[in-house]
This record gives sequence, structure tokens and C-alpha cells, in this order.
Amino acid sequence: DAGITQSPRHKVTETGTPVTLRCHQTENHRYMYWYRQDPGHGLRLIHYSYGVKDTDKGEVSDGYSVSRSKTEDFLLTLESATSSQTSVYFCAISEGQGGLTKNIQYFGAGTRLSVL
Amino acid sequence: DAKTTQPNSMESNEEEPVHLPCNHSTISGTDYIHWYRQLPSQGPEYVIHGLTSNVNNRMASLAIAEDRKSSTLILHRATLRDAAVYYCIRVNAGNMLTFGGGTRLMVKP
Repeated sequence: DAGITQSPRHKVTETGTPVTLRCHQTENHRYMYWYRQDPGHGLRLIHYSYGVKDTDKGEVSDGYSVSRSKTEDFLLTLESATSSQTSVYFCAISEGQGGLTKNIQYFGAGTRLSVL
Repeated sequence: DAKTTQPNSMESNEEEPVHLPCNHSTISGTDYIHWYRQLPSQGPEYVIHGLTSNVNNRMASLAIAEDRKSSTLILHRATLRDAAVYYCIRVNAGNMLTFGGGTRLMVKP
């Protein structure tokens, strides 16, 4: 298994509170990604990072911010959680982007977040 | 827009081969075809990928049509542990993975 650790694995919080999810990797991969997955949907990209301090928005970035101060850590923050952000969040890593073998994405086990 | 089309669900019997189809009729010449699968309560995992030629690995085989407008993921002997959602994804340089709905494979004992 790729060395990806997501924390916490489960979290219950209240509407309006800030929440930070952490993704930690031991593979020294350049790219890191945050996805969310909701019932009936495939995974949707929230934000991604292509290096330390280099991040960009994905398909569903509203209400989320990210930070990457070290290669190994990629943080996802919900500044003021809403019930619509109840979801399962997955972190992924890859060496690069594109179709080549080295750019395969490896996923963490996920964080289940409930916003009440 | 996932740009691929897959059946919502398929069933298979245990220990029989499974052919999972994917249509990508608007594929460009430099798009790779990647397959990932997601087991229940887990993150997606890579299965196989290809560009033009058929590919084999320890998990599966990938058959790509000569015109590249479709492909088929082949599991040679389905096991109960292969029950998952299988995603067919077009990938090009600089592209993010765009997950569609995938095919839910059910394996009957």
C-alpha cells in the first residue's frame, strides 16, 4: 500500500465550526489531491497541489481551502462547515500528471465527515 | 463531464470471466485509458491502463478497440473480492482524473 495516512478517519462536527482534515504521505510524491464522494456520485476533485505552496482549485472548491507547507502534508480546511459538506473525503497522491505509469494516483482510506 | 460511458451495473458468477465495457468515442490520440476500482468502504485503487495496445497485469487485462473508441476490462476469474465499482477514465497530460458513475460489479457465489 502507498504510504498515505488520512486523519481523522471519522469526525462529527456542528454547522459553522472550522474543520481541518490532514493527509500525510511518505512517498515523496509531488502531486496531492483532495476529493469528496457523495452517495450516487463518483469522486469529485476539490483542490490539488503540484508542490509545496502550489495549489489549484478543482471542480468543487467553494467552501474549502488547502495548504501544503511540506511535501508530505496536504491540509483541507472547511472554514465554516455546512451540512452540504457532509461527505467522505479522500486524499490521493501521484508523481506527476497524465496517462503515464508514474502518474497513477494512490488513494488514502478516506475520512467520513458528518456536519450536524 | 467524464467523457466515458459505462453500464451502471453488471453481475457475474464467481470464478467466471467478466468483461466490463467502456465507451470513449470522443477520445483523442494522446488520451490514455485508465481503470480504477473502489471496493466497499475503501478508496479507489488503480487497476490497469493503456494507450493503444492490449495490456495485461496481475489484476486484469485491458482490451482496447483498434479505433480506440471503446475498451474492455477483463477479469479472468471473478472472485467475491472483485465486487466493486469499476471506473473507466480518460487521462491526458495535465488532466485531472474525472470519475463518472462507474460500473457496479456484483459477483454471485
